[in-house]
Amino acid sequence: EAGVVQSPRYKIIEKKQPVAFWCNPISGHNTLYWYRQNLGQGPELLIRYENEEAVDDSQLPKDRFSAERLKGVDSTLKIQPAELGDSAVYLCASSPGQVGGELFFGEGSRLTVL
Amino acid sequence: SQQGEEDPQALSIQEGENATMNCSYKTSINNLQWYRQNSGRGLVHLILIRSNEREKHSGRLRVTLDTSKKSSSLLITASRAADTASYFCATDRSNAGNMLTFGGGTRLMVKP
Repeated sequence: EAGVVQSPRYKIIEKKQPVAFWCNPISGHNTLYWYRQNLGQGPELLIRYENEEAVDDSQLPKDRFSAERLKGVDSTLKIQPAELGDSAVYLCASSPGQVGGELFFGEGSRLTVL
Repeated sequence: SQQGEEDPQALSIQEGENATMNCSYKTSINNLQWYRQNSGRGLVHLILIRSNEREKHSGRLRVTLDTSKKSSSLLITASRAADTASYFCATDRSNAGNMLTFGGGTRLMVKP
């Protein structure tokens, strides 16, 4: 069974440039998460989807971050414009949807903003 | 904000020794999970313990949960160099729906 797939794995951009990350969750997983992980810290939730609906986006900086999950499968996370402080690893995870269950993570997309 | 706090932040041991990592949290939980992250990789689920459980085992892993103290511990017995990684606890809070909140992690180094 294929795991959670993320791309790109690495991205280096100049500040003020846009960037987008893509995630393909495990087939059949209804719940999709985007986490941000700063260096040496644990992941912090940005947004959670139940199918197509964003059910928890309270931690998403909405002035520059946006996310979508069309058709309840793949998801994209966009930053526009990027700032130096956005340098981090952006992790996508999915789960079958049972409350409090195990999350399956992708390898992450490492963003460096210069 | 992070719900869990791991202790110690870093741990260095010799192969064959046991490694113990602790996690404290602040609010009531449904369950607590432990994840492992190798450098530059994603997180991998290790074990889940529910709020009505006190101890759980999986291979060389032993997890305890003390809800009265709002704390959990992860014990890795007979450690191996391949156990070198960061370990995170994550809590599923009672009033937060289907959402995990992660701690800051313990960075474990096992020297061969």
